[in-house]
Amino acid sequence: DIQMTQSPSSLSASIGDRVTITCRASQSIARHLNWYQQKTGKAPKLLLHAASYFQSGVPSRFVGSGFGTDFTLTISGLQFEDFATYYCQQSYSPPYTFGQGTKLEIK
Amino acid sequence: EAQLVESGGGLVQPGGSLRLSCEASGLTFRIFWMSWVRQAPGKGLEWVANIKEDGTETNYVDSVKGRFTISRDNAKNSLSLQMNSLSPEDSAVYYCARFDFWSGFPGMDVWGQGTTVTVSS
Repeated sequence: DIQMTQSPSSLSASIGDRVTITCRASQSIARHLNWYQQKTGKAPKLLLHAASYFQSGVPSRFVGSGFGTDFTLTISGLQFEDFATYYCQQSYSPPYTFGQGTKLEIK
Repeated sequence: EAQLVESGGGLVQPGGSLRLSCEASGLTFRIFWMSWVRQAPGKGLEWVANIKEDGTETNYVDSVKGRFTISRDNAKNSLSLQMNSLSPEDSAVYYCARFDFWSGFPGMDVWGQGTTVTVSS
């Protein structure tokens, strides 16, 4: 199975900040990497697929990049509604494993 | 608007069985792969299983293989997860999700609200 490792596990930031979350795969997954946002008590929301492609309605302040084993999600100009937990997921082969999550909190 | 609604969760004793259902509306259910994802209390997301559009192919995470069975009824726009030999480690919110592909890159873009399974004596 492909293991996904996210860092950091938690992050404290202020409104307007820029933050970066990283995700590393245990083997190459090309661009088969998704990013999800989950707010407390809610279902996850797909933000980006194929490492960098936006889902409809996702603000352009969310930028994904990477290829192979190393990926990043950068959020620029943090808004209040961005404080949530973020998960990466590999979609290269089943089981489609998630990272352990990064909780983004308000400083 | 695409919508998924799960049901069937509840309290079950260790070793017991439970069947989850997911009803789809507002989407052409029969043309999409579908998935189940779970989240234990206070923990992260775990992909559990998925099933091809016509039900001819399924995949499972190792921890549920041989115990869980994913199935679908395209005539009823319904997805199911039969869970047997349940253990406390299976306690979680279970989500169904549409598993869509964009130019060969899959992701889960429509989710239900989740149904809670608690395995305890």
